[in-house]
Amino acid sequence: GAGVSQSPSNKVTEKGKDVELRCDPISGHTALYWYRQSLGQGLEFLIYFQGNSAPDKSGLPSDRFSAERTGGSVSTLTIQRTQQEDSAVYLCASSQSTAKNIQYFGAGTRLSVL
Amino acid sequence: SQQGEEDPQALSIQEGENATMNCSYKTSINNLQWYRQNSGRGLVHLILIRSNEREKHSGRLRVTLDTSKKSSSLLITASRAADTASYFCATDPLTGGFKTIFGAGTRLFVKA
Repeated sequence: GAGVSQSPSNKVTEKGKDVELRCDPISGHTALYWYRQSLGQGLEFLIYFQGNSAPDKSGLPSDRFSAERTGGSVSTLTIQRTQQEDSAVYLCASSQSTAKNIQYFGAGTRLSVL
Repeated sequence: SQQGEEDPQALSIQEGENATMNCSYKTSINNLQWYRQNSGRGLVHLILIRSNEREKHSGRLRVTLDTSKKSSSLLITASRAADTASYFCATDPLTGGFKTIFGAGTRLFVKA
């Protein structure tokens, strides 16, 4: 696609429910990142995928958070048993390679946990 | 702890004035990037400066990097109302995997 696509753009859920957030990176980009941004704050790194290598999961805040990247393309971030503090904008970005190139961001998913 | 920290946290200027934002970081880096974010949504890349570069220009943007002080500045000249946004610096550390570290950002407001 022309850019990084994230869905849904907004998600409202009840505390305790599971949610899945989707990211479609730019075609041909081998690196994919997930970040979390709380209101008025900077970006918090969550997880990084590069090709077929094991992902860097060091930023995931708890075992309720997990992510997959199928076929080296689409990625899904899953949050189980959501809590109110999970409310934030979840941003996905992709880049061309491990050469730490420029990251291209999606518009994000705004998650609200009631 | 956060690698990049911007200052000021917020900046309000008149259209036509210059805006300067600063970023400090803690560990050695491969490169430093500046991004812009409108309305709390996706970030847009502005400029990348490598660790062996000291200054870079792109249109009305000028970025400097001082690796001895572990700091960078972003200057926007002749600001416009459309420059109103949040600006983030992001560093790629030499060690620590592929984790790009973003600062908390500077919120710039340009008054018409």
